[in-house]
Amino acid sequence: ILNVEQSPQSLHVQEGDSTNFTCSFPSSNFYALHWYRWETAKSPEALFVMTLNGDEKKKGRISATLNTKEGYSYLYIKGSQPEDSATYLCAFKYNDMRFGAGTRLTVKP
Amino acid sequence: KAGVTQTPRYLIKTRGQQVTLSCSPISGHRSVSWYQQTPGQGLQFLFEYFSETQRNKGNFPGRFSGRQFSNSRSEMNVSTLELGDSALYLCASSLWPYNSPLHFGNGTRLTVT
Repeated sequence: ILNVEQSPQSLHVQEGDSTNFTCSFPSSNFYALHWYRWETAKSPEALFVMTLNGDEKKKGRISATLNTKEGYSYLYIKGSQPEDSATYLCAFKYNDMRFGAGTRLTVKP
Repeated sequence: KAGVTQTPRYLIKTRGQQVTLSCSPISGHRSVSWYQQTPGQGLQFLFEYFSETQRNKGNFPGRFSGRQFSNSRSEMNVSTLELGDSALYLCASSLWPYNSPLHFGNGTRLTVT
């Protein structure tokens, strides 16, 4: 069974704090690693798709890195804002698409 | 550009009935995938279609089926509904099956009573 693990399950930070989450995935038979942000009452929104070992992607204050050899990806948020509050999902693409359970981020003003 | 459209948004059915959910992808997207989310569970992969062919199927019973049409629109069908089928069903479209980001619809909330 190919499992995608995310940690922590939830995180509460103050506005302005920087934070990071971890996604672990099977390191063999890798096609792509996706990150999504899912806000309450909305649909998941794509952040990044990474395919190569060592990939680094950045979108505003959010960035992600990928290590396919050891099977992990980090998502970083610099200077968290209340609007960053959401569940962050990673997904491992092999034959199917396997999502982790997500990290629920709450940013307090 | 119009987003992914799922219909209906809400559905209430009784046990034993069947249901068909519809998904219209973003124009130009040929890959459509379906996911189930139940309380306490993450997104569970149901199917993936590309150019009218089912590429992959998740670990769900045969009561769950789907198809994709030549215009890339997709439907999924659940027969002999069970209470445990109550869930949010999300459809997503992408340009390609492997390394393109998924664009999700707003989902269909199915309640089985």
